[in-house]
Amino acid sequence: DTGVSQDPRHKITKRGQNVTFRCDPISEHNRLYWYRQTLGQGPEFLTYFQNEAQLEKSRLLSDRFSAERPKGSFSTLEIQRTEQGDSAMYLCASRSGSGETQYFGPGTRLLVL
Amino acid sequence: EDQVTQSPEALRLQEGESSSLNCSYTVSGLRGLFWYRQDPGKGPEFLFTLYSAGEEKEKERLKATLTKKESFLHITAPKPEDSATYLCAVQPSGQAGTALIFGKGTTLSVSS
Repeated sequence: DTGVSQDPRHKITKRGQNVTFRCDPISEHNRLYWYRQTLGQGPEFLTYFQNEAQLEKSRLLSDRFSAERPKGSFSTLEIQRTEQGDSAMYLCASRSGSGETQYFGPGTRLLVL
Repeated sequence: EDQVTQSPEALRLQEGESSSLNCSYTVSGLRGLFWYRQDPGKGPEFLFTLYSAGEEKEKERLKATLTKKESFLHITAPKPEDSATYLCAVQPSGQAGTALIFGKGTTLSVSS
C-alpha cells in the first residue's frame, strides 16, 4: 500500500492525559500537513512541514500541541493535557514538491472523556 | 478573508437522478481548487484538481467545472455507492504553506 498511513486509527483518553499520533506519508512526498476535523465541518489546517522543517502553524495550534518530523519522513503530533474540546478526527496529508494535490490518510479519531 | 461555501448541505437523490453540487469561494488569488469525497469515519479521497476558469475534469459519473467565483460537481445518473460527503477546498496563491481551506461539505444520499 503506497498511500498515507496513520496510527492509531482510534484513541480514547481521559482529560489531562497526553496523546501522540503518527503519520507516514507517501514515500516520495516531502511535504506533510496536519488537519483537524470535527463533526459536520471540513478539515481545518493545523501545521505544515517541508522535509524536516516546520514552516507554518495555524493559530488553532495551541501551546499544548506539538508536531515533529525528525528525519523528513514520518511525523508525530502530540497533544498534552488533553481537553474535551480536542475530540476530533486528526488527518494527515502529503504531497510531492512538484504537484499541488494533497493526499489524505485515514485519520485518527480522538475521544477525550 | 478566504472562504469556501458549499451548497446544499445535504442532497437526497433517487438512483439515476442527475444533479449538481455547488462550491462558492472567495480568495485573494486562486492557486487551485480541489474536490474530495469522504466516507463516514474515513479520510478525504482525492477526486479532482482545477486550476483555471473554464477548466473541466471528468471521472466516471462525476464532472467538475470551474469559474472565477464557483465550482460545480455534476453527478450524472448517480448510484447508491456515490453516497458520501463531497468536500471542496481552495488553495490560495501567495500562501507559503499552501494549506487548503475547506468548505463544510455536501452530504449526498442516493437511494435505489
